[in-house]
Amino acid sequence: DQQVKQNSPSLSVQEGRISILNCDYTNSMFDYFLWYKKYPAEGPTFLISISSIKDKNEDGRFTVFLNKSAKHLSLHIVPSQPGDSAVYFCAASGTFSSGSARQLTFGSGTQLTVLP
Amino acid sequence: SAVISQKPSRDICQRGTSLTIQCQVDSQVTMMFWYRQQPGQSLTLIATANQGSEATYESGFVIDKFPISRPNLTFSTLTVSNMSPEDSSIYLCSVEQGNTIYFGEGSWLTVV
Repeated sequence: DQQVKQNSPSLSVQEGRISILNCDYTNSMFDYFLWYKKYPAEGPTFLISISSIKDKNEDGRFTVFLNKSAKHLSLHIVPSQPGDSAVYFCAASGTFSSGSARQLTFGSGTQLTVLP
Repeated sequence: SAVISQKPSRDICQRGTSLTIQCQVDSQVTMMFWYRQQPGQSLTLIATANQGSEATYESGFVIDKFPISRPNLTFSTLTVSNMSPEDSSIYLCSVEQGNTIYFGEGSWLTVV
């Protein structure tokens, strides 16, 4: 049962345009969401996060939107650059009632290709 | 953010052998996590390692196959035991700082 889903395995965007990466989740106990970028042969790099008490967080060219009622979040990259080409992972975490520490549940990733 | 170093970065291993991956962090952290990313798949949590206690394993992962050590607040090891080709994967150490989890560069294991 996939609790975090990225339904688009790939996305191609022209340089300078907006890239929109989507992510859906099913577990209402998740209260913190993160986006990671991963280049081949490297570990994931943290990009941006959002707490469930917010609906938007912005950092430079990256903006994450959270729609709690729809259990949906998206990452917007504006303007897109060729160096943004990578796999983007959505991740969710929460401190669950079992008392377990925060752990990440990852989506399956979306390969973004920004065309020059 | 924490600086996380993993060794080895890459290795080719023989079937049936075991390999220990080391993870060193440049600051003291309470929680360390070990993830795996098999080819073409997403990242999956193997276990959570706290200093001074037994690691907590996720469903589908057992201590006999993936023994973990956490001798202090800056270091952990993950051993992949009795390897088979299905264990060919990227193994990632990560730490929690604030609400964010940061990853090392990963250890790329190929089992032949």
